[in-house]
Amino acid sequence: AQSVAQPEDQVNVAEGNPLTVKCTYSVSGNPYLFWYVQYPNRGLQFLLKYITGDNLVKGSYGFEAEFNKSQTSFHLKKPSALVSDSALYFCAVRDQGGGFKTIFGAGTRLFVKA
Amino acid sequence: AAGVIQSPRHLIKEKRETATLKCYPIPRHDTVYWYQQGPGQDPQFLISFYEKMQSDKGSIPDRFSAQQFSDYHSELNMSSLELGDSALYFCASSLQGPGNTIYFGEGSWLTVV
Repeated sequence: AQSVAQPEDQVNVAEGNPLTVKCTYSVSGNPYLFWYVQYPNRGLQFLLKYITGDNLVKGSYGFEAEFNKSQTSFHLKKPSALVSDSALYFCAVRDQGGGFKTIFGAGTRLFVKA
Repeated sequence: AAGVIQSPRHLIKEKRETATLKCYPIPRHDTVYWYQQGPGQDPQFLISFYEKMQSDKGSIPDRFSAQQFSDYHSELNMSSLELGDSALYFCASSLQGPGNTIYFGEGSWLTVV
């Protein structure tokens, strides 16, 4: 069965500094990995995904993520954080052989301080 | 671009009542998913449909049922509502294929009192 872990409940970073939101996964086969962002009382917005190919994936709003197969990680990064990046971030995984189910991590709340 | 449309956006029901949530996927998307997100929780997968057939099932209570209709819209029916059913219910859609992105609606807030 697939699973996702986001080890940090909250990440605090100063505006202009780089940010990292961590994600590790477990699947029986090859993974499809996704990052979503959720603003208060809103739906989840897609940021980026890893399917295959280049381990560094670039997405919306300047975010990127690096797939590391040996460490089973897919950390979300941004070189320079903005106050408007403050939100709840979810990592999600789908097993290539696991059907239609996408499993979400517990979420990490990002606070960017001005 | 058209997004996933959910209705109603807010719903208040009493215990033991029934509620129905509707979802209209992005045009040409053939797969619909339902998720439940409790306060401060991550989205929990309930059920999915591909081409009007149930394709996968998660932690959906027996009191809940769902279906996808010929026009690809989907409905989630919840009966004998309990206080613990109060949550944000998301519908999402995608094209079939495990690598395809799932796009979420804004959610339907269900409050059971």
